[in-house]
Amino acid sequence: DGGITQSPKYLFRKEGQNVTLSCEQNLNHDAMYWYRQDPGQGLRLIYYSQIVNDFQKGDIAEGYSVSREKKESFPLTVTSAQKNPTAFYLCASSIWGLAGSNEQYFGPGTRLTVT
Amino acid sequence: AQSVTQLGSHVSVSEGALVLLRCNYSSSVPPYLFWYVQYPNQGLQLLLKYTTGATLVKGINGFEAEFKKSETSFHLTKPSAHMSDAAEYFCAVSPTGNQFYFGTGTSLTVIP
Repeated sequence: DGGITQSPKYLFRKEGQNVTLSCEQNLNHDAMYWYRQDPGQGLRLIYYSQIVNDFQKGDIAEGYSVSREKKESFPLTVTSAQKNPTAFYLCASSIWGLAGSNEQYFGPGTRLTVT
Repeated sequence: AQSVTQLGSHVSVSEGALVLLRCNYSSSVPPYLFWYVQYPNQGLQLLLKYTTGATLVKGINGFEAEFKKSETSFHLTKPSAHMSDAAEYFCAVSPTGNQFYFGTGTSLTVIP
């Protein structure tokens, strides 16, 4: 089955530690995205990538880093510089291009708790 | 700048009643429009989308939405609510089909 996997489902870390969230897709999509979701705030874009070895900052990139070494993978690192990292993180992918509507497909999410 | 406004962060309806979730957008160009549903602790699932053509769009689970350009709206409706419809609903706009802007969500409660 094609889809997006995120692991782990739940993640607990101590303050001051970096943590990497995994996102893998087998949909052959060019574009991948990371969103942060907090209650009452909807989805906020952290980073996105159109192609391998290229990525762009979203609205709330500070304290986060990403890499895109493979088309299928787009890991997100939450660094110790992120002031309030506890949140639900969603990865998504889509076809990139101007032709047609390219809806996003979402993974199941990772709930990160930092204490 | 693009923005999406969902009126009503919480909506309650009785089982069997009409569901109406409101979405207004601002966009400098005719956009692509989407509704997603999210169940607790899960990712988002596409309900329906508007790209071009017919302004009344039918989606999964009996939902539909109408694109009204003059009102910059894309409200989501369902004639008869079911208990399984209880979830969070997000409206999203994409001016170009590549970048997406989401509303803050509407939590739907269905009362038996």
